[in-house]
Amino acid sequence: KQEVTQIPAALSVPEGENLVLNCSFTDSAIYNLQWFRQDPGKGLTSLLLIQSSQREQTSGRLNASLDKSSGRSTLYIAASQPGDSATYLCAVRPGNTGFQKLVFGTGTRLLVSP
Amino acid sequence: EAGVTQSPTHLIKTRGQQATLRCSPISGHTSVYWYQQALGLGLQFLLWYDEGEERNRGNFPPRFSGRQFPNYSSELNVNALELEDSALYLCASSPTEFTDTQYFGPGTRLTVL
Repeated sequence: KQEVTQIPAALSVPEGENLVLNCSFTDSAIYNLQWFRQDPGKGLTSLLLIQSSQREQTSGRLNASLDKSSGRSTLYIAASQPGDSATYLCAVRPGNTGFQKLVFGTGTRLLVSP
Repeated sequence: EAGVTQSPTHLIKTRGQQATLRCSPISGHTSVYWYQQALGLGLQFLLWYDEGEERNRGNFPPRFSGRQFPNYSSELNVNALELEDSALYLCASSPTEFTDTQYFGPGTRLTVL
C-alpha cells in the first residue's frame, strides 16, 4: 500500500528565505508526482507535476525534484513571500492501479511572515 | 473557463441523518473524483466516476455512495452520518481518465453534530 509522508508538518519563515519541503513515498512504482497548494476555504491548485521519467520541474520560483528510486521528492521555494503562505500537499499517482487515484501526504503548512 | 464548483459550501447535519453534496466539473470533463479530508488526515480517495459509471472506490463503507448524471455533474451521498464523517469533501475533474492532473473544486465542509 502506497503511503506518502511530508516533513515538516509546519514551517514558519521570514520573507525572503529559500526553503525546502520534503515528501517521501513507500512504493517507487509511481506514474507521476504532483505538488499542490491549498489555501484556506479553497480547493487545491496544482503547482508542479513530475512524470516518473523526469528528475525535476521548474515554474517561476518553484522547483520540484524527484528521486523515484529512493522514494523522495522535494519542493524548493526561492525568495519566499507572504503570499506563499498556504498548505503544500504532495500526491503520487500509483503506477499499478490503472486509474487516476491520487495518494496524498498530510501536507506542510507554511507561514511566511513579512 | 469556469472551474469545478461544489455546493453547498458548508453543511451541518446530526448523527444518523443523510448528507448530499454536489459537484459540477469543468465543461468538457467526463471524469469526477471525490476525496475526503478529515482533520489531521490527508486527502483520502473516495470515489471515481467516468461517463456516468462508478469506476472505483476507496476504502470507505457502502453508506458513502454517489452518482454521475448525463451532464457529468455528480452527487455524493453519505447515509447514517457519524461524527467522524465531519470533513472537507473535495471534488475534482479531469478531461478523461488518462490525463495527468485533476482540477479541484473549493470543497464542501460537512459538520456532523
